[in-house]
Amino acid sequence: AQSVSQHNHHVILSEAASLELGCNYSYGGTVNLFWYVQYPGQHLQLLLKYFSGDPLVKGIKGFEAEFIKSKFSFNLRKPSVQWSDTAEYFCAVRNTGNQFYFGTGTSLTVIP
Amino acid sequence: GAVVSQHPSWVICKSGTSVKIECRSLDFQATTMFWYRQFPKQSLMLMATSNEGSKATYEQGVEKDKFLINHASLTLSTLTVTSAHPEDSSFYICSAGAYGYTFGSGTRLTVV
Repeated sequence: AQSVSQHNHHVILSEAASLELGCNYSYGGTVNLFWYVQYPGQHLQLLLKYFSGDPLVKGIKGFEAEFIKSKFSFNLRKPSVQWSDTAEYFCAVRNTGNQFYFGTGTSLTVIP
Repeated sequence: GAVVSQHPSWVICKSGTSVKIECRSLDFQATTMFWYRQFPKQSLMLMATSNEGSKATYEQGVEKDKFLINHASLTLSTLTVTSAHPEDSSFYICSAGAYGYTFGSGTRLTVV
């Protein structure tokens, strides 16, 4: 069975600090990996996705993620966060049936 | 791009009544749609996979008689919460698209 772990439940950073959110997955098949963001009161928005190829994936709003197969990880990074990045971040694995399995989420608070 | 619309955005109902939530693919056809539930401060959990013209498949622990899913056309799937109880209060989200990663804006259900 597939599962996704996000170890950071709540992260607090000052503006301009660098961000790295951990994501580890457990899935025996070909992995498709995603990061979503959910701003307060809003719906899920896709940040980036990895299907194959270059393991370093660049997404919207300056976010990137690196797929490390040997570590079963897909960590999200941003070199300099802004107050507007305050949101909930979800890592997800998609199986071959297009079903998504989400991590428990990381709440990011950026202090101006 | 692919757009998934949900209706209503929020609904309040009395305990014991039934509520129907619609998920529409606006600019594409979707033979498969997915329904998720998100409890406060928790992650999204896959409830069921909705298949056009056939029965939905439910995840373990999800009561199929309580959460009725109908996918009668290639652009519409409905989730009916039957005999709703306060513990069914949650945020329900659907997804569709060629790869299942376009999410609707969600429906906040409150059962009083």
